[in-house]
Amino acid sequence: DTAVSQTPKYLVTQMGNDKSIKCEQNLGHDTMYWYKQDSKKFLKIMFSYNNKELIINETVPNRFSPKSPDKAHLNLHINSLELGDSAVYFCASSQVLNYEQYFGPGTRLTVT
Amino acid sequence: GQQVMQIPQYQHVQEGEDFTTYCNSSTTLSNIQWYKQRPGGHPVFLIQLVKSGEVKKQKRLTFQFGEAKKNSSLHITATQTTDVGTYFCAGRGTGYALNFGKGTSLLVTP
Repeated sequence: DTAVSQTPKYLVTQMGNDKSIKCEQNLGHDTMYWYKQDSKKFLKIMFSYNNKELIINETVPNRFSPKSPDKAHLNLHINSLELGDSAVYFCASSQVLNYEQYFGPGTRLTVT
Repeated sequence: GQQVMQIPQYQHVQEGEDFTTYCNSSTTLSNIQWYKQRPGGHPVFLIQLVKSGEVKKQKRLTFQFGEAKKNSSLHITATQTTDVGTYFCAGRGTGYALNFGKGTSLLVTP
């Protein structure tokens, strides 16, 4: 069984489009995260939700909007995609905020 | 904001050699975590250190947390080709966010 799953695995789209990435965890964790990993492998926290409540909202453009319909899901919607948004986006979860994190397989987003 | 610096950025060793990556913070950390990411994979949790001066071992891996809780290290003894990947430290200060270092990419040649 996959602990943290993300869809899609790959996403190729044009500038200006709107896209969503979905994340689900079946670990019963209370906290979920979105990270962006750029081409130089730098992992940057974007958002964190604890019990469906937004806890961490780093300096991320307003075009990025997370949505947590329940504790097991944290989706990421991106409006008006730009070339600089190309990266691998990782979803993660942990039992408690900032404890051991379990990462999903990642979504490689390519904006052309 | 709090930054976690990690060195070296890259390390290339012959199989059997030792390897160490270092992590430094400008502020005191409440805890530090280490993750490993294989090429094309996702980060996988290795360990968390919480106490000042803490040392933990996992087989050939030794993790240390500095006395001032501002630095940490990961040492691998007698590297193997399976150790290839990028090793990240991640530290939390007084805020909520866990800040990742930029990682050390380890290449091991047989």
